[in-house]
Amino acid sequence: KNQVEQSPQSLIILEGKNCTLQCNYTVSPFSNLRWYKQDTGRGPVSLTIMTFSENTKSNGRYTATLDADTKQSSLHITASQLSDSASYICVVSGQGNDYKLSFGAGTTVTVRA
Amino acid sequence: DAGITQSPRHKVTETGTPVTLRCHQTENHRYMYWYRQDPGHGLRLIHYSYGVKDTDKGEVSDGYSVSRSKTEDFLLTLESATSSQTSVYFCATWSGDGYTFGSGTRLTVV
Repeated sequence: KNQVEQSPQSLIILEGKNCTLQCNYTVSPFSNLRWYKQDTGRGPVSLTIMTFSENTKSNGRYTATLDADTKQSSLHITASQLSDSASYICVVSGQGNDYKLSFGAGTTVTVRA
Repeated sequence: DAGITQSPRHKVTETGTPVTLRCHQTENHRYMYWYRQDPGHGLRLIHYSYGVKDTDKGEVSDGYSVSRSKTEDFLLTLESATSSQTSVYFCATWSGDGYTFGSGTRLTVV
């Protein structure tokens, strides 16, 4: 059973609008959570990383939140741009296994003009 | 993807033939990984290496083998390709600060 579940599977938004992606995980004990952006035909690229003690982390128009108690994370994209069209992947690692990751299946975001 | 090169980028092969994918890194990272990515699934770990000649299996290792004779190169071999191994394969390295992924190899087994 996948230990990282993402929703929605895909979404379409208009340029300039905001959206929020969800990630629920069961990895325990928890070490950190990363959000990656994967453009079509490319490998994933890291957006943010949060440890147990961090609630929010921003990277430009991307803001990630983490609730370690409920094992939930979200990625908020503000004022979306066409270049935000990509797959966004939630990745979790457990304590003592920082070199082995559990990947969500990703949320595909399409931004339309 | 600076520092990681995967080759080939695309390959079509016939069922039953051997295939080797190559990952080359220039960052001198100790840990290297091979993942496969399929629609509806997250990236799944095939094999990883924690040093020269030190490798271990991931969650989907059946039908795959790996070798690491030098720090910079990590090879993934499909001994006898099957249609279920049609996928996009990603190599990655871990630096301690995070992961860096290659651009992927799209493999089609016909």
